[in-house]
Amino acid sequence: DAGVTQSPTHLIKTRGQQVTLRCSPISGHKSVSWYQQVLGQGPQFIFQYYEKEERGRGNFPDRFSARQFPNYSSELNVNALLLGDSALYLCASSLKILTVSYNEQFFGPGTRLTVL
Amino acid sequence: KNEVEQSPQNLTAQEGEFITINCSYSVGISALHWLQQHPGGGIVSLFMLSSGKKKHGRLIATINIQEKHSSLHITASHPRDSAVYICAVRNFGNEKLTFGTGTRLTIIP
Repeated sequence: DAGVTQSPTHLIKTRGQQVTLRCSPISGHKSVSWYQQVLGQGPQFIFQYYEKEERGRGNFPDRFSARQFPNYSSELNVNALLLGDSALYLCASSLKILTVSYNEQFFGPGTRLTVL
Repeated sequence: KNEVEQSPQNLTAQEGEFITINCSYSVGISALHWLQQHPGGGIVSLFMLSSGKKKHGRLIATINIQEKHSSLHITASHPRDSAVYICAVRNFGNEKLTFGTGTRLTIIP
């Protein structure tokens, strides 16, 4: 079974442009989370989606948006790109969300976005 | 103060040495993850803990919930263990992970 896949692997954009990153979770996983990792820092939580609904949002501006499709794949959109948006964008999937218990998250290889 | 603190930030050791990486956190958690990130970015989940101790091969992870502290140990370290090791905690009630900044480990042959 394939792991979490992300596309594209690398992307170069210029300031002001818009970008869409894609993530396919492990088969059977219904929860997808997005993280931003700036060089030299730990990842920062952006969004979590479960059953096509947003279940969590990190401290990111409204330029960042996401959605989850009926097949549980997800897209992360970033509008009006800034130089500071250059980062590795990681997607992670997990089986389901539980309020009391927990589920292991499996990470994709990431999309490295460079904004010039 | 960050919610998740790791130490040391950088660690260089000789092959074969016993390695310890520490993680302290300040919030209530439902689980703690140890992750490994190689150059290029891919993250591999090593352990997920909510109590006690777990062992996988040469890797051992422990957690003390009362002291809000976890350690990752590597026995008989090898150059292929060179990577960034990241501690991440899961908040109660959701699956948001809060990450430490990582420990860059370099094992010299």
